[in-house]
Amino acid sequence: GIQVEQSPPDLILQEGANSTLRCNFSDSVNNLQWFHQNPWGQLINLFYIPSGTKQNGRLSATTVATERYSLLYISSSQTTDSGVYFCAVPRRSGNQFYFGTGTSLTVIP
Amino acid sequence: NAGVTQTPKFQVLKTGQSMTLQCAQDMNHNSMYWYRQDPGMGLRLIYYSASEGTTDKGEVPNGYNVSRLNKREFSLRLESAAPSQTSVYFCASSERLGRANEKLFFGSGTQLSVL
Repeated sequence: GIQVEQSPPDLILQEGANSTLRCNFSDSVNNLQWFHQNPWGQLINLFYIPSGTKQNGRLSATTVATERYSLLYISSSQTTDSGVYFCAVPRRSGNQFYFGTGTSLTVIP
Repeated sequence: NAGVTQTPKFQVLKTGQSMTLQCAQDMNHNSMYWYRQDPGMGLRLIYYSASEGTTDKGEVPNGYNVSRLNKREFSLRLESAAPSQTSVYFCASSERLGRANEKLFFGSGTQLSVL
């Protein structure tokens, strides 16, 4: 199967700081998705990004499929950004997914 | 738009008891999934259903059964609960965006403890 590795595993930021989370994957994929799991456990789909860059407010994501990685940028971080960020890539069938082990982000005021 | 709704949110069972976790989506998605999340293990797929009337095993199907009741509903049953099934369970559905391209949406999770 495809290996999905995320870095760093843990990150602590002061409110207002910027950060970059990375997701590496071991084989070519059709798309990549980023999720945020908030401290209450909810998993929210942040980005569906086959390639290129997408932006949503203070968050943006870039996938470079040819080099097998994706980056999630968080600018001007807020305490509500705290939680765990997962990336996921699909199996060839498309409806099963490989998940990374996540980056745990803590934003302190 | 409710999205993916799963019930209950919390459940405590004794070893050997049975229960069914319910899941429904109102987004007209064909594919639905059940995952479990354990510390240090990430999200693992239990079962999935690519369409109404079909179900397939995922990575960790032992001890579970599923029913795709109709396009909206996908239930997960524990016939005889074991402490190893203590976990957080997530139901999900996916929007088909193209061949082999699905966008995942999760429910809010069920925290299950088996004593």
